[in-house]
Amino acid sequence: QKEVEQNSGPLSVPEGAIASLNCTYSDRVSQSFFWYRQYSGKSPELIMSIYSNGDKEDGRFTAQLNKASQYVSLLIRDSQPSDSATYLCAVSNYGGSQGNLIFGKGTKLSVKP
Amino acid sequence: GAGVSQSPRYKVAKRGQDVALRCDPISGHVSLFWYQQALGQGPEFLTYFQNEAQLDKSGLPSDRFFAERPEGSVSTLKIQRTQQEDSAVYLCASSLGRQNNQPQHFGDGTRLSIL
Repeated sequence: QKEVEQNSGPLSVPEGAIASLNCTYSDRVSQSFFWYRQYSGKSPELIMSIYSNGDKEDGRFTAQLNKASQYVSLLIRDSQPSDSATYLCAVSNYGGSQGNLIFGKGTKLSVKP
Repeated sequence: GAGVSQSPRYKVAKRGQDVALRCDPISGHVSLFWYQQALGQGPEFLTYFQNEAQLDKSGLPSDRFFAERPEGSVSTLKIQRTQQEDSAVYLCASSLGRQNNQPQHFGDGTRLSIL
């Protein structure tokens, strides 16, 4: 059973702090990794994608991937109350041409003003 | 349209009724996925289409669930003889190409409640 694990939280950080969200996955052949943000009652919104080891930065967001440790993380710098949402880690199931995603249960982030 | 469109947004049905959920993907997107999201959980894969071909239906929970995409664009997820455990949000996603590194873009979902 291929699995994606996340701490469900809630993770509470003060405004302006760095929020660190973590995710581990079980399938070593996974090649594509995504972070989605989901506001309550809304659809998942793609925040970051990462495919190779190391860091990938986009504005206030940094995704980190370590395939040896089967670990992917998302850092949010200068957290804002509007970042309060559930963050879903998703891993592509196959290394080939098919790309259905396996999601973690999500980490609920609360940014306090 | 600019994004993935799903209808209806909300559906209430009595146990035993059949329901049909519609997904209109982003224009030109080859791949289309259906997911089921229970409250407090991440989305779970149901089925995948590449154009009109249903390449994977391994996530469909029972033979009461059926999906089609006859012309390679709009897709319909049908649930027959609904049960209470079918209550969930049904999400549709589409992506541009066939490769697994293509980001998937989600619709707002259909919230299905079975009474």
